[in-house]
Order: sequence, then structure tokens, then C-alpha cells
Amino acid sequence: GAVVSQHPSRVICKSGTSVKIECRSLDFQATTMFWYRQFPKQSLMLMATSNEGSKATYEQGVEKDKFLINHASLTLSTLTVTSAHPEDSSFYICSAGRTVGFAYEQYFGPGTRLTVT
Amino acid sequence: KNQVEQSPQSLIILEGKNCTLQCNYTVSPFSNLRWYKQDTGRGPVSLTIMTFSENTKSNGRYTATLDADTKQSSLHITASQLSDSASYICVVSDDYKLSFGAGTTVTVRA
Repeated sequence: GAVVSQHPSRVICKSGTSVKIECRSLDFQATTMFWYRQFPKQSLMLMATSNEGSKATYEQGVEKDKFLINHASLTLSTLTVTSAHPEDSSFYICSAGRTVGFAYEQYFGPGTRLTVT
Repeated sequence: KNQVEQSPQSLIILEGKNCTLQCNYTVSPFSNLRWYKQDTGRGPVSLTIMTFSENTKSNGRYTATLDADTKQSSLHITASQLSDSASYICVVSDDYKLSFGAGTTVTVRA
């Protein structure tokens, strides 16, 4: 149980275009989903926290108008990178959270490799 | 500021040997500490999770320890296999937000 999927796994787009990445919790409902970005040889950096039915909370330094997050249902959150630039090329990972016993667990998706040419 | 520091940054070991990875943290309040394995180009996969009262937890050949007094944790890999080659990330939770270490890259060679 607790499987999180992401689609697509890899995407290449041209500079100036927009790209949408989907994150789905397949076998549980997640009121909160998280979006991370990971550059080569670095750890995950939280970009934003997404709550179902409300606006996402962005971390300091993350442009909310560039990284649009929609959490329309308890099993789906989307990240849209608008007007992508080569510096947006990165590995984007989502996670879905739920309470298990007394702990709050986050389950990570397999990631999406974005390359902007 | 919550911080998680891991050492070493990377290590190379021969197949069949053991190794130990270290994690020091300053996260407060402390809820739990997790170790994740991240294969190249994949998302992190949970290995262990420990709360304040737990000192050790095993998952197959992976054994994690926690000293909440000194705020240190270790991950021991026993009888390493080629498939253990990955980045191992220490993550500390303050009950909602996760603080990530930079990871230790382990390379197992035949």
C-alpha cells in the first residue's frame, strides 16, 4: 500500500513552453501533497505544500506564478512549470502524506526528470 | 534553523563488506527520524523510521540506530550487495515538515 505515481517520468520541452507534472496517490487519500526539486548530487528541496481544495503554500524563493500547483482531489496534485527555462531543468519529486498511527508519513513518487532545451 | 548533516559524503566499499553512515541533526521539536534509499533517477524509498523512544530498528540488512540525547543516528549496511549502490538520505521530522540531509552516496564494487 501507499503507492505514489508521477507522470511523466521524463519530459523534454523547449524554452518558453509550459509543462505539467501529475502526482497521484494510488491506494490512499492524501489531504496534503508536497513538491520537491532535486538538482544533481544535492538533496531534495521542498518547493511547496499543497492541500486539497486550497491554495498551495510556497517555500521562500519559489515563484508561485512560475510553478503552478493544483490539488483538485484527494488523490491528484499537479505541478505546472510555466515559461520553462533551461535553469528549470531538474528532478521533480512529489510526495503524498497521511497519518499512520501517531506518525505523519510522506510517501514519495518516482520523480520526473525535466529537461528544458 | 533545523539542520541535518550526514557523513561521509560518499564512500566506496567492496561487495560483502559492511559500512556505517552517520547523521547528526539539530531539528526541534523532534518527531521522528527516517532513513531513505534513493537510487539514481528514482524517488526516495523508506528504509526505517524511528521515534524518540526507539534506539534501533532493522530492515533486512539495514540497521538504524538513534541517540536522541546526542541527536545522532547511524545506518549500518551489513554484507553489502551491488544493489545497495545508491544515495542514503537521513530525514528528520518536526511532526509535519521534513528536514533532509544531503545524503551519502554509497558505491558497492564487485
